[in-house]
Amino acid sequence: EAGVAQSPRYKIIEKRQSVAFWCNPISGHATLYWYQQILGQGPKLLIQFQNNGVVDDSQLPKDRFSAERLKGVDSTLKIQPAKLEDSAVYLCASSSDRGTTEQYFGPGTRLTVT
Amino acid sequence: GNSVTQMEGPVTLSEEAFLTINCTYTATGYPSLFWYVQYPGEGLQLLLKATKADDKGSNKGFEATYRKETTSFHLEKGSVQVSDSAVYFCALNPDSNYQLIWGAGTKLIIKP
Repeated sequence: EAGVAQSPRYKIIEKRQSVAFWCNPISGHATLYWYQQILGQGPKLLIQFQNNGVVDDSQLPKDRFSAERLKGVDSTLKIQPAKLEDSAVYLCASSSDRGTTEQYFGPGTRLTVT
Repeated sequence: GNSVTQMEGPVTLSEEAFLTINCTYTATGYPSLFWYVQYPGEGLQLLLKATKADDKGSNKGFEATYRKETTSFHLEKGSVQVSDSAVYFCALNPDSNYQLIWGAGTKLIIKP
């Protein structure tokens, strides 16, 4: 079974530029999560999708971050414009249920904003 | 509110030493508890979990027991290896909620 795929693995941009991350969850997993992990901290949930609907985006900075999950499969997270404090690893995870079972994580995208 | 507190790292041990990483939590209801591991350059992987009081989760020689009376879920291993070097995260899934609440992580360094 293929795992959660993410791309790119690394990205370096200047502040005020835009960036997009892509995630393809495990086949058949209805729930998809985007997390932000700042160095030395635990993951922080940004947004959760159930199929192609948003379940929770309460911690997503909506003035600059956006995410979509068209057709309920893969997902894109965008930052526009980026700030220095957005430097982090962006993790995508999926699960077959709404969080009561295991979440499977991708390798993450390390973003550096200069 | 719900929260998870882990012991600060890094924790440095010699190979074959006994490991304990402390994790305590605050939650209403009856949460499920998890330990995730993040090896260098890799994504998070579920190590073990426990869904009710007194359950013991185990995997790869690691164990953790859900102690409701002390609100703890400490991770233990009897004899660590260099390959266990990683960052370990304790997390909880609150009852009737879907989010994972994460600890800050504990970096483990095992020296040969």
